[in-house]
Amino acid sequence: DIQMTQSPSSLSASVGDRVTITCRASQYISTYLNWYQQKPGKAPELLIYGASSLQGGVPSRFSGSGSGTEFTLTISGLQPEDFATYYCQQSYSTSFTFGPGTKVDIK
Amino acid sequence: QVQLVESGGGVVQPGRSLRLSCTASGFSFSEYPMHWVRQAPGKGLEWVSLISEDGINKFYADSVKGRFTVSRDNSRNTLFLQMNSLRAEDTAFYYCARDPKIPATAEGASDIWGQGTLVTVSS
Repeated sequence: DIQMTQSPSSLSASVGDRVTITCRASQYISTYLNWYQQKPGKAPELLIYGASSLQGGVPSRFSGSGSGTEFTLTISGLQPEDFATYYCQQSYSTSFTFGPGTKVDIK
Repeated sequence: QVQLVESGGGVVQPGRSLRLSCTASGFSFSEYPMHWVRQAPGKGLEWVSLISEDGINKFYADSVKGRFTVSRDNSRNTLFLQMNSLRAEDTAFYYCARDPKIPATAEGASDIWGQGTLVTVSS
């Protein structure tokens, strides 16, 4: 099975900061990489699919990049509503593995 | 509006069974593959199962294979997860989610999620 890792596991940032989260796959997954945001007590929301395509309705400050085994999620200009946990997920194989998550909290 | 609503969660003893349901509205349910994803309290997301639009193709996580069965009734816009031989480690919020399928790069993602239903396995 494909394993997914994320770094860092948590970070503290201020409103307006640029934040980058890295996701790595244990083997080649092309661009079959998705990013989700989850706030406490809520279901996850899809932010990015196909490594870099922005889901409809998601603010343009969110962007994704990468291919193969290494991917990044960037938030350009962190807003108060962005404090949440972010998960990557591979959809290259039918194990659909999620990463362990990165919690973004307020500095 | 587009919506998924799960039901059927509760407290169940180890070794017993439970069936979850997920009712869809606001979109053509029969045109979309559907996922189940779970999350143990305070933990990360774990993909559980996928079923194709027509209900023929089914996929499972190794952790539930042989114990859980996914099915759907497109005439009732409803997705099911039959969970047998439940274990303490199956305790989690269970979410149903829609696979957008299109474009091809979105296949396997989950673009619409329900609010989740809590399953607690405890004696």
